[in-house]
This record gives sequence, C-alpha cells and structure tokens, in this order.
Amino acid sequence: GAVVSQHPSWVICKSGTSVKIECRSLDFQATTMFWYRQFPKQSLMLMATSNEGSKATYEQGVEKDKFLINHASLTLSTLTVTSAHPEDSSFYICSARDPQGAGNTIYFGEGSWLTVV
Amino acid sequence: AQTVTQSQPEMSVQEAETVTLSCTYDTSESDYYLFWYKQPPSRQMILVIRQEAYKQQNATENRFSVNFQKAAKSFSLKISDSQLGDAAMYFCASLPYGNKLVFGAGTILRVKS
Repeated sequence: GAVVSQHPSWVICKSGTSVKIECRSLDFQATTMFWYRQFPKQSLMLMATSNEGSKATYEQGVEKDKFLINHASLTLSTLTVTSAHPEDSSFYICSARDPQGAGNTIYFGEGSWLTVV
Repeated sequence: AQTVTQSQPEMSVQEAETVTLSCTYDTSESDYYLFWYKQPPSRQMILVIRQEAYKQQNATENRFSVNFQKAAKSFSLKISDSQLGDAAMYFCASLPYGNKLVFGAGTILRVKS
C-alpha cells in the first residue's frame, strides 16, 4: 500500500531553538496533508491542514507563528516548531490524503517524538 | 461541526472472545466516511476498517466488522476471536467528503490470555 514517511522519528532540541519535521508521500501525490499532535493516552488533535501551494489552515487555538507549515510540493509537507519550549514536547504525526485512492484514503506517517530540553 | 464520541475509555476481552467498541458521531454532511484505526504501542496508525455512509451494508474485514446505524449516527466495531495482537488503542474517526479527519477520544483494548 501507499506509504507516508515522517522524519525524524525522534528529536531532542534545546529550548529556544527551532526544529523541522518532514512528511513525505512516497508513491502518490498528496494535495492535502494533515498535522496532528498527540499527548500520552489521548487522541490525535488536528493542528492544521496543509494544502499544496497555498497557506495552511490552522485549527482554532493553534499558534500559526509557532507551528509553521509549508507544503511546497505534492509529496512534501514540513512542520517547523519555532522557538521551542518544553511544553511543545509531544508526539507529532502527519497524514496524507491520496486523491486517487478509493474511499478518501488517508495514510499516516510513523510520527515524530519531540523533546524540548 | 464534526464530533466523534467514544464512551468507553477502556475495554477488556478474553483471548478468542468477541468484543464491541462503541462510537457515535455527529455531522451535518450527508456524504462522509467512517473509520476505525488501531494504534499499538509503536504509535503507528493502522486502518482497521472503513465504511462509506451511502452504503447500507456493514463493512467487514476478516475478524473485524462494524454495525453502522446511520439514523442513530452509531458506528461500533466488533472484533471476533480476539488475539493478543489486537491489544491497542482504537480510534473511531469521521471524514466528510473533502473535509478533515476527526477522531474520537479512543478506547484502550486489553486482551487477556
């Protein structure tokens, strides 16, 4: 089946620095990608919808300047956590919609653990 | 607005037995998809089963089946012949056409040997 690759799987960064997480669709063109944040034992919280070639649509309460999303190509979306703080530590996961897939198929990346120290 | 409700934070089942996970949803859309995802400790999201709202027939995938009641906006997941590998967090999700995937709070399923 189609694959979505997310990198890095684990990242530790110092407080105040920025970190970038990549989400790639490996064998299909994803016009829409989604970024989620998940706290331990909780559900996936949608942060933003990333559309290729246009600005991301952020969910209410998500800081646009804090979480920069870029979808420069049909196979790559990036999430940059700017001026990271310990409270940004979390599991971030992306997903991509395959427009050619049956039934609005959505594939998930493996997720990225961010620890801010 | 879309909402998905899973009222069971945790469920337990004996190996080889059957368990049903509950899910209700609310959407103003007439066309949408419903999903059950499994998230094991690895955190990888695995699609278990998918149901298109316009189809009356309940979806089935091997040991997994759903009871889709459109009028009641209910979408429960039945796992038959439960296996140890079924232990995971299960999420119910809804996706109106062209919209975003919204998840329920999740149900932790424990399988006892």
